[in-house]
Amino acid sequence: EDKVVQSPLSLVVHEGDTVTLNCSYEVTNFRSLLWYKQEKKAPTFLFMLTSSGIEKKSGRLSSILDKKELFSILNITATQTGDSAIYLCAVMGFNKFYFGSGTKLNVKP
Amino acid sequence: KAGVTQTPRYLIKTRGQQVTLSCSPISGHRSVSWYQQTPGQGLQFLFEYFSETQRNKGNFPGRFSGRQFSNSRSEMNVSTLELGDSALYLCASSLVRGTGAGYTEAFFGQGTRLTVV
Repeated sequence: EDKVVQSPLSLVVHEGDTVTLNCSYEVTNFRSLLWYKQEKKAPTFLFMLTSSGIEKKSGRLSSILDKKELFSILNITATQTGDSAIYLCAVMGFNKFYFGSGTKLNVKP
Repeated sequence: KAGVTQTPRYLIKTRGQQVTLSCSPISGHRSVSWYQQTPGQGLQFLFEYFSETQRNKGNFPGRFSGRQFSNSRSEMNVSTLELGDSALYLCASSLVRGTGAGYTEAFFGQGTRLTVV
């Protein structure tokens, strides 16, 4: 059965800390892996990864994919309270997105 | 470019009633997927429509149904509502590049918050 597993389920850090969120997957016909940030309602797109070993960066956020070991990590450096959100990992199979349950990040001042 | 639009934003229904939610995808996007999100279960896939045809279906009872119109707008219907149907229902649209190349990233609407009392 295709699945996406995220860890940890929740995380509490202080401003300035660095966090690493994990996403492992077992999805047939893998096409790409995506990260989303959900603050209130609509998840907003962060990254799309299709190739192993190529890091994608956007400001303090970065992500990398390992297609051999079937996982991805999302790093956030120098965290800020505005980073508090649920981070969702999704894997695109042949015709369908598979979502993980998300990691709830709480950044305290 | 307008984003994904879901209506209504909030809805309160009583048990046994039925409800219809609407989703207008980004212009040019022909794939529309529906998800149910609850605190306990996370984001659960309901179904996906492409060119007016349901292509994928999640593990939800037959009370949950949907359709897509020729302009790619989609509706989701839930009949005989149960308390457990209270959730945020999200719609996402994607641009399909073509066979083999897959989809682009999915763009989400703001969701419809359904409360069943």
